[in-house]
Amino acid sequence: DAGVIQSPRHEVTEMGQEVTLRCKPISGHDYLFWYRQTMMRGLELLIYFNNNVPIDDSGMPEDRFSAKMPNASFSTLKIQPSEPRDSAVYFCASSFDRGYFASPLHFGNGTRLTVT
Amino acid sequence: SQQGEEDPQALSIQEGENATMNCSYKTSINNLQWYRQNSGRGLVHLILIRSNEREKHSGRLRVTLDTSKKSSSLLITASRAADTASYFCATDRNEKLVFGKGTKLTVNP
Repeated sequence: DAGVIQSPRHEVTEMGQEVTLRCKPISGHDYLFWYRQTMMRGLELLIYFNNNVPIDDSGMPEDRFSAKMPNASFSTLKIQPSEPRDSAVYFCASSFDRGYFASPLHFGNGTRLTVT
Repeated sequence: SQQGEEDPQALSIQEGENATMNCSYKTSINNLQWYRQNSGRGLVHLILIRSNEREKHSGRLRVTLDTSKKSSSLLITASRAADTASYFCATDRNEKLVFGKGTKLTVNP
């Protein structure tokens, strides 16, 4: 298996532009998570999906952020308009199961976003 | 807010020594997981310990869990330079996995 695939690996954009980050989870995994990592705040859970349905988006910082999962093999995280404080590494992760019998999360290599 | 808090924030040791990292958390959990992150890469799962388990081993890794103290420790024995990375604990509660800020481990050759 190729693992969780994220694209692009790096994104540099100007303030006010729209940014779309993409993720392909591991086939057969029912859960998909979007995290953001910064030095100041560490790893923050933004949103997660179960069977393509958003379950908890309480970590999405503001209305400028939106995430979709149109099918089991693809998810996007969109920022519109982007701001310099959105600069971070964004990770996608997938998992087979959660709860007491949870299986581990498998992470992609992240997208490093720089907003100037 | 972070559920788990790792201690220390940074640790520097010599190759061959043991490294111990601690994690404290605040609420009840289903399980606790440890992950490793090399610079510029995603996190990689190391070990999962469920709430009814007290100790678990995997190769040179030993994890303990004390639910009464809401704490866990990760021990890496006979460390190698290749173990240099950041290590995170993550608490699993109600489907959400919440990470601490990590311990940055440096193993000097």
